[in-house]
Amino acid sequence: DVVMTQSPLSLSVPLGQPASISCRSSQSLVHSDGNTYLSWLQQRPGQSPRRLIYKVSNRESGVPDRFSGSGSGTDFTLRISRVEAEDVGIYYCAQGTHWPPFTFGQGTKLEI
Amino acid sequence: DVQLVESGGGLVQPGGSLRLSCAASGFTFSRDWMHWVRQVPGKGLVWVSHINSDGTTTTYADSVKARFTISRDNAKNTVYLQMNSLRAEDTALYYCVRDSAGVASWGQGTLVTVSS
Repeated sequence: DVVMTQSPLSLSVPLGQPASISCRSSQSLVHSDGNTYLSWLQQRPGQSPRRLIYKVSNRESGVPDRFSGSGSGTDFTLRISRVEAEDVGIYYCAQGTHWPPFTFGQGTKLEI
Repeated sequence: DVQLVESGGGLVQPGGSLRLSCAASGFTFSRDWMHWVRQVPGKGLVWVSHINSDGTTTTYADSVKARFTISRDNAKNTVYLQMNSLRAEDTALYYCVRDSAGVASWGQGTLVTVSS
């Protein structure tokens, strides 16, 4: 199974400051079709997860452009350029390249 | 807008069974893979099962293999999870998830509690 390791597991960021979350996979997430199926999810308190980023760097419709994803191979990063109050929650990376099973990171808790 | 509405959760005794349903709308259901993912409250996300668009291919997490069965009815835009031989460790919020280049759209979840 592909192990997804996030860091840090929690971070506290002042409003308006940037934040960065790292996700490392135990093997390359490049699929044989050339795509890299690495997504970032946000789970606000009391809500279901919501996908922010897919295939490393593609923002879902409606996701603010302060969120960006980058990386390749086994190392990936989610960046928030200026943290807002509504960004509080838990962020997960998820891989869909090598399955079953689809696997998730442990989650990173973002606080203001 | 994509909508996924899960139902069928509840309290069940160890060894019992439940069938979860997920009613989908807002997209062409018959074209998309679907997943079930579970989450113990306060814990992380764990993938449970997947089914391809026409229902001919299914996969399962080792922890539920031979106990859970995923299926779908494309005429009803619904995906199911039949859960048998339930254990205390199956207690979780179960999410129905649409696949689009990965785990894309999530329902609100249905809570399954296995306890005597």
